[in-house]
Amino acid sequence: QVQLQESGPGLVKPSETLSLTCTVSGGSISGYYCNWIRQTPGEGPEWIGYIYYSGSTDYNPSLKSRVAISVDTSKNQFSLKLNSVTAADTAVYYCARSPSKGSFDYWGQGTLVTVSS
Amino acid sequence: DIQMTQSPSTLSASVGDRVTITCRASQSVSSWLAWYQQKPGKAPKLLIYKASSLESGVPSRFSGSGSGTEFTLTISSLQPDDFATYYCQQYNDYSPTTFGQGTKVEIK
Repeated sequence: QVQLQESGPGLVKPSETLSLTCTVSGGSISGYYCNWIRQTPGEGPEWIGYIYYSGSTDYNPSLKSRVAISVDTSKNQFSLKLNSVTAADTAVYYCARSPSKGSFDYWGQGTLVTVSS
Repeated sequence: DIQMTQSPSTLSASVGDRVTITCRASQSVSSWLAWYQQKPGKAPKLLIYKASSLESGVPSRFSGSGSGTEFTLTISSLQPDDFATYYCQQYNDYSPTTFGQGTKVEIK
């Protein structure tokens, strides 16, 4: 059974960089799109971006200037960096897998990141 | 960006009811639409992809239909486990792929 697990600090100061890692177990990330998605309470999810296992990336234009996603296939992990964070970046962050540029079939449990001094 | 609008925002129903949720896209997304179920404190769970294809392991009481700009998710006979929030997602335009604002199905 494929499982995804997010890890990283739950509290980030304004103007600093949010860093999260997703570890995939029970299956390889090879051949899949590895996505980051976030959600604030009462809102629909917001797609942040993906990295394909080969290293190609695409980001939500609304966040593109602040986002970087990387992959480490040897560790079956991928990571998110979001810089210059503000309170508006406070959200639950999910990693999710997609077999193609489409729907997300496996998700992590999510991790709450709060931006506050 | 393609805007996804769900209706209603909240739906009150009883066990055994037939429930229909609508999702409208601001422009055609062909059949590139998915539906998810989310329970409090949990990640969304994929129910339907490509508008009408049932994800493996999802009960057959869930079905999806539509194409272009109008889609529906139907639960044929609502079960206690189905009280949750449902989201649609378009992936015709993947940059960015976008979600609806959600429909909460609550107990009447």
